[in-house]
Amino acid sequence: GAVVSQHPSRVICKSGTSVKIECRSLDFQATTMFWYRQFPKQSLMLMATSNEGSKATYEQGVEKDKFLINHASLTLSTLTVTSAHPEDSSFYICSAREESTDTQYFGPGTRLTVL
Amino acid sequence: AQTVTQSQPEMSVQEAETVTLSCTYDTSENNYYLFWYKQPPSRQMILVIRQEAYKQQNATENRFSVNFQKAAKSFSLKISDSQLGDTAMYFCAFMKRQNYGGSQGNLIFGKGTKLSVKP
Repeated sequence: GAVVSQHPSRVICKSGTSVKIECRSLDFQATTMFWYRQFPKQSLMLMATSNEGSKATYEQGVEKDKFLINHASLTLSTLTVTSAHPEDSSFYICSAREESTDTQYFGPGTRLTVL
Repeated sequence: AQTVTQSQPEMSVQEAETVTLSCTYDTSENNYYLFWYKQPPSRQMILVIRQEAYKQQNATENRFSVNFQKAAKSFSLKISDSQLGDTAMYFCAFMKRQNYGGSQGNLIFGKGTKLSVKP
């Protein structure tokens, strides 16, 4: 149990385009999901907390207009990187909180490359 | 603010041996959770073990066990009978728990320890 999927696993796009990443909890409902960014050989950096049916909470320094988060159902959150630039190239990971154990389970990540 | 410190950037162990990864944390909270996650080369974050701070008994999951010292704010991970598949980055993480039983849900991660299991 407690499986989280993330799609796509890898995406290459041109500068100025937008990219949407989906995060799904497959066998449990998640009121809360999280989006992280991970630079090479570093730990995970929390970008935002996604709450079902309400606005996301962004960490300091994360541009909410650039990283749009939608959590429209209890099993799906999406992150849209708008007007992507090469500096947005990174590994993005989502997680979903399983409420009965208060534990986060992670998706496999998305490698974004902006040319 | 809570902080998590992993003082060993890299470690190595021979296959079948035992290794201990250290983790210390700083918090003024009394109710919280502690976790160890592993991130193999595939980069999938995998939950290894979970500890509730109010439980004195150390958590165990097969070959993985923790030594939770609440007063010392220490949460080390012991891997017994190390296997090649244990090669990964290991992250220690802290999460505050709210008094009514829920939590803010934010994980605070350490910088990680890169573990290599050698044949």
